[in-house]
Amino acid sequence: QVQLQESGPGLVKPSETLSLTCTVSASSISDGYYWGWIRQPPGKGLEWIGNIYHNGGTYYNPSLKTRVTISVDTSRNQFSLKVGSVTAADTAVYYCARCRGSSYFDYWGQGSLVTVSS
Amino acid sequence: QSVLTQPPSVSAAPGQKVTISCSGSSSNIGDNYVSWYQQLPGTAPKLLIYENNKRPSGIPDRFSGSKSGTSATLGITGLQTGDEADYHCGTWDTSLSAGVFGGGTKLTVL
Repeated sequence: QVQLQESGPGLVKPSETLSLTCTVSASSISDGYYWGWIRQPPGKGLEWIGNIYHNGGTYYNPSLKTRVTISVDTSRNQFSLKVGSVTAADTAVYYCARCRGSSYFDYWGQGSLVTVSS
Repeated sequence: QSVLTQPPSVSAAPGQKVTISCSGSSSNIGDNYVSWYQQLPGTAPKLLIYENNKRPSGIPDRFSGSKSGTSATLGITGLQTGDEADYHCGTWDTSLSAGVFGGGTKLTVL
C-alpha cells in the first residue's frame, strides 16, 4: 500500500519560510507519476499548490508561484515544499499526494498543520 | 474564491439519494477529466471518483460520477450516516496550467 507522510515544523513566524517534506513508501518517486502539494485553511476548501515530476519538472498555482518552490530527492524518495514570506493566510493543513496523469490524486498523506504566528 | 463552484451543503435522509454539482468553464471541466474526493471529519481527502465516472478499487457502486459540458455531478444512493463528510471536486485548468478544486460540499444525512 502506497503511503505518504508529511514532516516539518508546525509553527512558522510571519515573513519566514515554511518548509515541509513528504516521504513516500511502497512507490518510487521515479515511477512516472507527478507528486503534489495541496493545502486546506481551517474550515475552508482545498487549494492546489503545485506538482513535480521525478525529473524536476514543475507546475505551480499562479497565485502562489512567486513564493513557492517544490523540489524532489529521488535518492531519499522524498519531495519537498517551501513557501516564502508567509503570513497568517498561509495557515493551513498541508497535504502531499500522488498525482496520476489526468490530474487526480490517488494517495494522500495524513496532513500537517502549519500555523503562521509570532 | 474557488475556480469550481459547489453548493456549500446538501442533506438527505438515510436510504435516499443525493447529488452534488460542480460547475466550471470550458478551460477546466469542459476540457479535462473531473475527480471527486470524500473527506471525513478530521481526515485527509480520499479519492472517490476519477476520470469523470470511474471508481477506484474498494469504492462501492453507491457512488457515481458524470460530466456534461462544463459541469459534473456526484451521485450517492442508499445514503448512510457514515457518508456524512465534505465532498470536493477537482480537475485541471488548461488556461491556467494549474490544478483547481471546488469549495467543497458538506453532506448531512438527517
